[in-house]
Amino acid sequence: TQLLEQSPQFLSIQEGENLTVYCNSSSVFSSLQWYRQEPGEGPVLLVTVVTGGEVKKLKRLTFQFGDARKDSSLHITAAQPGDTGLYLCAGARFRGGSQGNLIFGKGTKLSVKP
Amino acid sequence: EPEVTQTPSHQVTQMGQEVILRCVPISNHLYFYWYRQILGQKVEFLVSFYNNEISEKSEIFDDQFSVERPDGSNFTLKIRSTKLEDSAMYFCASTRWGGSQYFGPGTRLLVL
Repeated sequence: TQLLEQSPQFLSIQEGENLTVYCNSSSVFSSLQWYRQEPGEGPVLLVTVVTGGEVKKLKRLTFQFGDARKDSSLHITAAQPGDTGLYLCAGARFRGGSQGNLIFGKGTKLSVKP
Repeated sequence: EPEVTQTPSHQVTQMGQEVILRCVPISNHLYFYWYRQILGQKVEFLVSFYNNEISEKSEIFDDQFSVERPDGSNFTLKIRSTKLEDSAMYFCASTRWGGSQYFGPGTRLLVL
């Protein structure tokens, strides 16, 4: 069974601080996606990383895919209250044209206090 | 920006009743998925669908579940005889070839 472990499970920080959350697996994925989910809503795609070692930036968010494509990290610089939410990572296995199903982690619940 | 839409947003049903959850995937997408999320738990894969047939399904997707693309735009999930444990948020997702999966806002199903 493929599992994605996210850490920490909960993170509460002050506005302006930096943070990193992690997504780890013993399995190799063809790609890894990061989503943000608000209570009662669907996951909203932030980024997809595909190549081992790849780094992608989305404003103050930096995403990295591990060299072996088994792990990923999300770093937020100068966090703001608007960053508060549940961050999910999801691994995909390429299946001839589509990604196949996504395996989700449990998420990191981030709270940024003003 | 194109979005996946889902209806209804909420559904309350009695145990044993049939429910149909509806999704309109993004128009140029070819691969469609259903996931569910029980309150407080992980998002779990149910089924994927391509070229008018199921391409993959999880062990959750038993004989009580079925999917259909009745026309060129809708993608439906039917639960024939609902159980209490089917209560969850159900998410539809879609993707084009080799692309990322985009999720709908979900249908909250409550089985009483």
